Amino acid sequence: ILNVEQSPQSLHVQEGDSTNFTCSFPSSNFYALHWYRWETAKSPEALFVMTLNGDEKKKGRISATLNTKEGYSYLYIKGSQPEDSATYLCASNTGNQFYFGTGTSLTVIP
Amino acid sequence: NAGVTQTPKFRVLKTGQSMTLLCAQDMNHEYMYWYRQDPGMGLRLIHYSVGEGTTAKGEVPDGYNVSRLKKQNFLLGLESAAPSQTSVYFCASSYPVSSYEQYFGPGTRLTVT
Repeated sequence: ILNVEQSPQSLHVQEGDSTNFTCSFPSSNFYALHWYRWETAKSPEALFVMTLNGDEKKKGRISATLNTKEGYSYLYIKGSQPEDSATYLCASNTGNQFYFGTGTSLTVIP
Repeated sequence: NAGVTQTPKFRVLKTGQSMTLLCAQDMNHEYMYWYRQDPGMGLRLIHYSVGEGTTAKGEVPDGYNVSRLKKQNFLLGLESAAPSQTSVYFCASSYPVSSYEQYFGPGTRLTVT
């Protein structure tokens, strides 16, 4: 069992602020790191999948980085908007087994 | 293109009853997964399948069985439900490499009394 941890557990930011949160995972037997966005009453939706140390991915105002040597990934949101309010999950997988963190709940206050 | 669908959406069972949750996907994905989601915990993998006719145990397989008789369907069975199996169950599917993103179904909320 992999221990995937996310911090902070929850976050409130003002509209327009930029923010970031962390996912840490064991660096041994690493295969891929996944980020998902999960809105209330919906299903998790994939944001990024990263596999290589130093990977950086970007989708609009959201970006992510990966450090496989030290076992962490950051998710950044630039200029937060109310529609960014959601829980952001990360998951690490070794082969076919996926291990999810408990998520960071983001609330963007208009 | 419906994506990943789950049946039923809600269910209440009494302890000891059995039921089957159905997951269907129309994206021709090889891999399918069943997770459970409990308060304060991340999604935990129950069982998964890497292709038609194959299944494997995940992190929390006890009390569940699965079958993948057709590529598009992945069934999760509870033979004798227990209150500890009260949870929200999510199915997901993906292309046949686990560095691909997973597509999740809408979830099934199960309560065992």
